[in-house]
Amino acid sequence: NAGVTQTPKFQVLKTGQSMTLQCAQDMNHNSMYWYRQDPGMGLRLIYYSASEGTTDKGEVPNGYNVSRLNKREFSLRLESAAPSQTSVYFCASSEVDTGSEAFFGQGTRLTVV
Amino acid sequence: QKEVEQNSGPLSVPEGAIASLNCTYSDRGSQSFFWYRQYSGKSPELIMSIYSNGDKEDGRFTAQLNKASQYVSLLIRDSQPSDSATYLCAGRLTGGGNKLTFGTGTQLKVEL
Repeated sequence: NAGVTQTPKFQVLKTGQSMTLQCAQDMNHNSMYWYRQDPGMGLRLIYYSASEGTTDKGEVPNGYNVSRLNKREFSLRLESAAPSQTSVYFCASSEVDTGSEAFFGQGTRLTVV
Repeated sequence: QKEVEQNSGPLSVPEGAIASLNCTYSDRGSQSFFWYRQYSGKSPELIMSIYSNGDKEDGRFTAQLNKASQYVSLLIRDSQPSDSATYLCAGRLTGGGNKLTFGTGTQLKVEL
């Protein structure tokens, strides 16, 4: 029972490099999310996808792009990494109705030097 | 003003005591709220959800929702050292396209 799977778990990038964080869920959920978590800041929403084919900006979208490849997969891309993007990134999924909880992946710890 | 607000803590309680965690939200029309627990270095896990005014109990946990005052709380009875974690309050805010918005989290320490 995999749930939400994120890759990679750890990554170190140099400033200016690009990378894509991958996320896949096997729960047939319509909605998927990307959050970042920094000390004292809680979980801040970067982008979310309410359903396949739609994406919307969250609270902190600058410097990121997303692709909802299909119902299962939602990727997050950093085109030109900056030290300010050093963070722990979580992908989550849920059903679209208001009462649905979100299930989280195990997180990606990204360091930009 | 953040849409969902929590005191960051740390909140320290002795073992066996009641821990009370609070959260306020800005969107009066919000429908559903969730409490997640997050251990250091781990991902958040759901412990309680609440949708209606009043109390909801599950074991040692009680969630309380007061829509008129726009606050949500979590009570942990008979606190154990294993309850030491960060507790995240989240809400589905009607003004945000039904996305899930989190507070900054409250760190709870249960002391022996």
